Amino acid sequence: DGGITQSPKYLFRKEGQNVTLSCEQNLNHDAMYWYRQDPGQGLRLIYYSQIVNDFQKGDIAEGYSVSREKKESFPLTVTSAQKNPTAFYLCASTSLDLAGNTIYFGEGSWLTVV
Amino acid sequence: AQTVTQSQPEMSVQEAETVTLSCTYDTSESDYYLFWYKQPPSRQMILVIRQEAYKQQNATENRFSVNFQKAAKSFSLKISDSQLGDAAMYFCAYKEVGYNTDKLIFGTGTRLQVFP
Repeated sequence: DGGITQSPKYLFRKEGQNVTLSCEQNLNHDAMYWYRQDPGQGLRLIYYSQIVNDFQKGDIAEGYSVSREKKESFPLTVTSAQKNPTAFYLCASTSLDLAGNTIYFGEGSWLTVV
Repeated sequence: AQTVTQSQPEMSVQEAETVTLSCTYDTSESDYYLFWYKQPPSRQMILVIRQEAYKQQNATENRFSVNFQKAAKSFSLKISDSQLGDAAMYFCAYKEVGYNTDKLIFGTGTRLQVFP
């Protein structure tokens, strides 16, 4: 089935550790996105990428890093520099063939700092 | 910068009744897109409805319709014949168009409760 797969669904991180969240899509979408969701807030954009080997910072990129080596993959690394990483993370993708096309989301990953 | 505001943190409706969720946005652009997403307890983001700014006609998807007022920068969602399965968080979103600006900006959400 076509879609966006995020893994792991639940992840625990010790303070000072880097962790990487995986996002893979088989929809042949050009653009991919990472959002963070905290309780009582909407989704905030961390990073996005419209083509391979290129990506742009979103509104809250500090403490995060990404790579886009393949069209179908857009992993997010939460570094130790991110002071409050406990949150729900959503990956999304869309085709850029048509303007205004819909952005589709994965099922999300919960990250908890212990 | 573009912003999206949802002023109703929580709303409730009786089953089979109609409810309207409010959304306002701020932009200097004339060409953009607006969306309503539903997020049930599973946290999966589900597209409910979308509206192109250049279209005057309000979008409709079955029981869901919007009231798009471009001059007022308002984009409300009307849910008719509410069902228990409509209970969820609803997010209004604005989408820019253009290279390296093709991103979705969300409001803070409205939690909808549906009572039998």
